[in-house]
This record gives sequence, C-alpha cells and structure tokens, in this order.
Amino acid sequence: DGGITQSPKYLFRKEGQNVTLSCEQNLNHDAMYWYRQDPGQGLRLIYYSQIVNDFQKGDIAEGYSVSREKKESFPLTVTSAQKNPTAFYLCASSIGTSDYEQYFGPGTRLTVT
Amino acid sequence: GQNIDQPTEMTATEGAIVQINCTYQTSGFNGLFWYQQHAGEAPTFLSYNVLDGLEEKGRFSSFLSRSKGYSYLLLKELQMKDSASYLCAVYNDYKLSFGAGTTVTVRA
Repeated sequence: DGGITQSPKYLFRKEGQNVTLSCEQNLNHDAMYWYRQDPGQGLRLIYYSQIVNDFQKGDIAEGYSVSREKKESFPLTVTSAQKNPTAFYLCASSIGTSDYEQYFGPGTRLTVT
Repeated sequence: GQNIDQPTEMTATEGAIVQINCTYQTSGFNGLFWYQQHAGEAPTFLSYNVLDGLEEKGRFSSFLSRSKGYSYLLLKELQMKDSASYLCAVYNDYKLSFGAGTTVTVRA
C-alpha cells in the first residue's frame, strides 16, 4: 500500500536536545512538507521541498532544519534553538507543488520537558 | 499576510445539515482546499475549489466566491462519524495556508 509513514507516534525529549522526526513516502511524489499543529491553531508550514536536494523555508522555520537526500525521505530536526518545540508534527507529500492535493502522514506528537 | 477565518465550533444533530463558513484575506489565491481531521489523526482531503461555484461530492459540497473571499463546506445527512475538525486552506505560491479549523460535534 502506498502512503506516508512517520515514526514514532509519540516522542519525548529533554530540553536542550536535538531530535529528528522521520517522514517516508512511497507515493513517488516530488514535493514534501512539514507542518506544525498547536491546539486552537491551524497547521503552520515549517519547510517544504519541491525536489530532491532542494528545500525552502516555510512560515516558521526558525529552530528547525531539514534535508532531502532521497525522494522518499524528508526528515525534520527540531533543534534546541526552537523555543516551544512541544507540538503535533505532520508530514505531507504531493505530486508537485502546483495545486495538487497533499497527502498527510499520521503525525508525531513531540513533548519536550 | 494571510488571514483565514472559520468558526471554532459547531454542533448539529445526526441526519441534519451543517454549513461551515471560511473567509479569507490572502496576498494571493490559486485555490481553496477543505480537509477533515479526526482528533489525533492526519487530515484527509475533502474538496478543492478553483473557480466560483458549487462542487458536490456525495454528502459533502463546497462553494467558492473569489470576489467575496468566501467559501463554505456543506455536510448533509450528518452521521456520528462526521464529528471531526474541518480545515479550510488557501493555496498560493506553492504553499497551503490553513485556518484554525472548525470542530463539528454530531449529536444523536
């Protein structure tokens, strides 16, 4: 079955540690995205990638980093510079960055204490 | 900037109809998406409007008026499983900008 996987579902870290969230897709999509969701707020775009070895900052990129070395994978690192890292993180992919439907992964809930 | 407004919560009875409004003021506009999201789960695609008018897909319909910066999602014959958040998102410049979502509660 084609789809997007994110692991783990729940992640706990101590403040000051970097943590990497995985996102893998087997849909052969060119574009991939990372969003953050907080209670009472809409999804906010962190980074997106239109093609392998290329990515752009979204609206809230500070304190985050990404890489896109393979078409299937778009890992997100939450660094210690991110002031409020506790959130629900969603990865998505689409055929391209034109007006195509985005398919979302199941999400990772990160808690930093 | 992007400003996308939806009501926070709505409640309706099983079998009824509910209309979720979305107004937007954005720096550009290429289209409008509606997604459904059950608590703790991934959003799933419901509809996409590019041109003005009504798009019907089974029990769900979506309407767009670009001149008014307005869209609505109409849910008919409500079922308990329709209890979820409904997210309005404007597509522009390769990106989606989301509203905060409307939580719909369906009561028996």
